Amino acid sequence: EAGVAQSPRYKIIEKRQSVAFWCNPISGHATLYWYQQILGQGPKLLIQFQNNGVVDDSQLPKDRFSAERLKGVDSTLKIQPAKLEDSAVYLCASSLFRGRSDTEAFFGQGTRLTVV
Amino acid sequence: EDKVVQSPLSLVVHEGDTVTLNCSYEVTNFRSLLWYKQEKKAPTFLFMLTSSGIEKKSGRLSSILDKKELFSILNITATQTGDSAVYLCAVESQGGKLIFGQGTELSVKP
Repeated sequence: EAGVAQSPRYKIIEKRQSVAFWCNPISGHATLYWYQQILGQGPKLLIQFQNNGVVDDSQLPKDRFSAERLKGVDSTLKIQPAKLEDSAVYLCASSLFRGRSDTEAFFGQGTRLTVV
Repeated sequence: EDKVVQSPLSLVVHEGDTVTLNCSYEVTNFRSLLWYKQEKKAPTFLFMLTSSGIEKKSGRLSSILDKKELFSILNITATQTGDSAVYLCAVESQGGKLIFGQGTELSVKP
């Protein structure tokens, strides 16, 4: 079974530039998450999709971050404009089904973003 | 506000030691608690706990949940250098939301 795919693996940009990350979840997984993990901290949920609808985006800085999940499969996360404090690893995860208590989330390898 | 707190934040042990990692939570609409291992890349799933008092075991790792006292522990016996990693605890709430703790960084010295 193929895992969660993310690209790019690494990205270095200057502050005020824009950047986009892509995620392809495991086939058939309805729920998709984007997490931000700053060095030394646990992952922080940015946005959660159920199919192509947003379930939770309460911690997404909407003035600069946006995310979409077209057709309920792939997802993109965009930052525009980037700030120095956005330097982090951005993790995408997917799980089979919302509401079940016996399905875990599987993570991609992450995109390490450095804003200089 | 929902929160998950792990302790200790870091731990250094020698091979063969036994370690206990702690995770406490305050989450409304609790559904399950999950443990992940992160080795400089994607977190990999270890355990999912939904019921109190039932130990889950996989090799040298085991975990148990106490829903009355709102905590879980992850035990690793006979530690090996390959156990060195960040161990993440996450709580799933209603709607599939996953809230993570800060992680415990475990370093196992030869």
